[in-house]
This record gives sequence, structure tokens and C-alpha cells, in this order.
Amino acid sequence: GENVEQHPSTLSVQEGDSAVIKCTYSDSASNYFPWYKQELGKRPQLIIDIRSNVGEKKDQRIAVTLNKTAKHFSLHITETQPEDSAVYFCAANGGKLIFGQGTELSVKP
Amino acid sequence: NAGVTQTPKFRILKIGQSMTLQCAQDMNHNYMYWYRQDPGMGLKLIYYSVGAGITDKGEVPNGYNVSRSTTEDFPLRLELAAPSQTSVYFCASSYGLLGGLITDTQYFGPGTRLTVL
Repeated sequence: GENVEQHPSTLSVQEGDSAVIKCTYSDSASNYFPWYKQELGKRPQLIIDIRSNVGEKKDQRIAVTLNKTAKHFSLHITETQPEDSAVYFCAANGGKLIFGQGTELSVKP
Repeated sequence: NAGVTQTPKFRILKIGQSMTLQCAQDMNHNYMYWYRQDPGMGLKLIYYSVGAGITDKGEVPNGYNVSRSTTEDFPLRLELAAPSQTSVYFCASSYGLLGGLITDTQYFGPGTRLTVL
């Protein structure tokens, strides 16, 4: 089955800097890769997703890149703001949606 | 639309007790899922359903049961609660599959925080 590894587990950046979170997956049949943001005590919410027929997708300050050959995908957040502080999860759909372990992002003012 | 709703929000169980976590969605989604999230950890899939009357096991199904008699509801049953089942439980739903793989956005409920003592 699918296995998703996510790094780093914690990430601290200064406000205005960029943040990058990386995930690798094992099942070459996976073709859908969403990213979820979970604020403390809240439910996970989709922030961006990418399908295997594209290599990059952007939505304002957030972008996701996908390298199917290497089986890894990354989340890029530019011009970080304190409200970006949360836990971010990647996922891949090898049959069932499998989540990474999460990255706790802290943006310091 | 209310989206995905879950009840109760919090519950404390004694070891050996049983309970049902309720989940409902009003988006006419075919697929529904149950996850558990342990402190500081990711989401583990317990069970999922592709439609009324059809359910299947996820990564961590032991100690749980589900049923799906309607499109809207997907209850999760805990039998003989154990401390290892202390967790936050999230229900989610999505439209379904494309080409045999899950591709659609999952919408999560607010979660049920369960403690087993």
C-alpha cells in the first residue's frame, strides 16, 4: 500500500520568509496529492491540491510542485504570516488517501 | 449546508464500555471516511464507505465497526473501549472516485474528542 513520509516535523520561520515542506510517496499509481492545514483544535481543511497531470500549481502565496519520477511533492508558502502557523499535512491517494505525519509550522512576528 | 457534522464533541468512556460516534453530511457525497488522530500525529484511516450498504477497512480498523444504511449517515461503533482508543475522531466525506482512485477533496467534520479511562 501507499506510504507517505513528510519532512520536516517542525519548521520555524520569521514572518515574511518562505517555508517549504516536502513529502515522498511510495505508490507510483497515486495521482492525487492534497495538502491540508489544521489549526490547533480545529478540523483539517484543504488548502491546495495537485493532480498527476501537472507539475506545479499556485494559489496566491501557496504553491505545490510534483515530481512523479522521483515520487515527491512539496508545499511552498511565500511571504509567511503569523496566521500561517498551523500543522500541515500532505496526502497521496494510493487506493486510499494516506496522510503524512504532519509539519508544525511556526511563523514568528 | 451544514457540511459534515459529528456528535458528540467530547466523551469520556470507561474501559470496556461501548459507544457510537455519529456522523452526517448534507452534501450528497457518495464517499465517507472515519479517521483517528492521536496527539501530535497524522490521520489514520479507520473505515470508509463508497455508498450506502458498502464499507471497507482502512489502516487501523481493529476495535471498530461501521455501517452505512443511508447516503447521509456513517456511524462509527466502538466496542469494548480500551485506553489505546483515546484519540480525536474525524469523519469526512467526498464526492467519490475518478478512474478508480480517490481524487476529490475531503471535507472534514469538527471531530469528537474521546478519552478512555
